[in-house]
Amino acid sequence: KQEVTQIPAALSVPEGENLVLNCSFTDSAIYNLQWFRQDPGKGLTSLLLIQSSQREQTSGRLNASLDKSSGRSTLYIAASQPGDSATYLCAVKNFQGGKLIFGQGTELSVKP
Amino acid sequence: DTAVSQTPKYLVTQMGNDKSIKCEQNLGHDTMYWYKQDSKKFLKIMFSYNNKELIINETVPNRFSPKSPDKAHLNLHINSLELGDSAVYFCASSPVWGETGELFFGEGSRLTVL
Repeated sequence: KQEVTQIPAALSVPEGENLVLNCSFTDSAIYNLQWFRQDPGKGLTSLLLIQSSQREQTSGRLNASLDKSSGRSTLYIAASQPGDSATYLCAVKNFQGGKLIFGQGTELSVKP
Repeated sequence: DTAVSQTPKYLVTQMGNDKSIKCEQNLGHDTMYWYKQDSKKFLKIMFSYNNKELIINETVPNRFSPKSPDKAHLNLHINSLELGDSAVYFCASSPVWGETGELFFGEGSRLTVL
């Protein structure tokens, strides 16, 4: 059974810092891995999608990597801003059943 | 021009009532989903439909009944509401079933059962 774990559960950093969020999964039989952002009281916004054959994806200040063999992904945020404050969720799409399995998220707070 | 829209956004009701949440996507996607986010913010899949056909039905009480009148709509009806049903329910859609499709989420419907 696929399990997705995100560490840390919460993170507080001063503005301008570079930071890394971690995601690990137990079953490497995945189609892809997706990183989302969720603002309080809002839905999920897709940030980056990495297919199983890819090693990384970049969008602006965000870079996500995928190491399928070790069951790990990282989301790197460069030069963090207060507007980056949100909960970041990773999710893997399993071969079996095509379900998207979520981690419990990392709550990020960027202080001005 | 919201891609995935859900109504209502907020729903407060008494135990034992029946309620529905509607979802529509204008992205032309084949696959739609319902997810439940509990008080600990954990998201768990409930149902998935592909071209109006039920594909995933997780271990969800049969008080929950999804209906897909066409591939752009997936509604969720809940009978005999219980306190434990209080959560945020998210609808999502994906271009294709399984494989590589990216998921797009609605803004959620917060259900509070009193």
